[in-house]
Amino acid sequence: EPEVTQTPSHQVTQMGQEVILRCVPISNHLYFYWYRQILGQKVEFLVSFYNNEISEKSEIFDDQFSVERPDGSNFTLKIRSTKLEDSAMYFCASRPWTSGFPFSTDTQYFGPGTRLTVL
Amino acid sequence: EDQVTQSPEALRLQEGESSSLNCSYTVSGLRGLFWYRQDPGKGPEFLFTLYSAGEEKEKERLKATLTKKESFLHITAPKPEDSATYLCAVMSGNQFYFGTGTSLTVIP
Repeated sequence: EPEVTQTPSHQVTQMGQEVILRCVPISNHLYFYWYRQILGQKVEFLVSFYNNEISEKSEIFDDQFSVERPDGSNFTLKIRSTKLEDSAMYFCASRPWTSGFPFSTDTQYFGPGTRLTVL
Repeated sequence: EDQVTQSPEALRLQEGESSSLNCSYTVSGLRGLFWYRQDPGKGPEFLFTLYSAGEEKEKERLKATLTKKESFLHITAPKPEDSATYLCAVMSGNQFYFGTGTSLTVIP
């Protein structure tokens, strides 16, 4: 069964360093997402990406964050200058899209996550 | 403000003891309500999508229902392997809003 994959599974970095988190969405999906989950807290939406551009982003997704789909398969999240509070699990998700009811393909499929630890 | 609230925060059940988890929501233009299961250190795993009030979906010991303001996830005769955090999420526009989850522990 197709699945979303993410690398690395765990990333440790020093405060102020840049990190790039990588995701390979399911191949025929069109929408891509990044979420984060701080330990013990709810899953929080960061950004959605469709047709090679950001379609929506949350208040969390400030100028320190950027996303890119550098080729036909990868989807990346870059954090330019990491802060201690960026420590969290980062999940990538993807979904296909079709018009019409009942939007059964609105389901998002999540990757296993990257645990980012900022020291 | 769009909001998703889940209750209880934690639930401990004896094996075989049926119960229900609640997800209440206040969003504009609900496009769908989703239930996910999340095991520690893992990504959310899709369980169900519900689109309209009155809709029900079943999978093994789980049954999800939807009203205009809330959804229930009923667990019938749970087993220890059902222990996990169950997340509810709603889709409004192109954004997903997650609840904080219910941590379920099933004791043998």
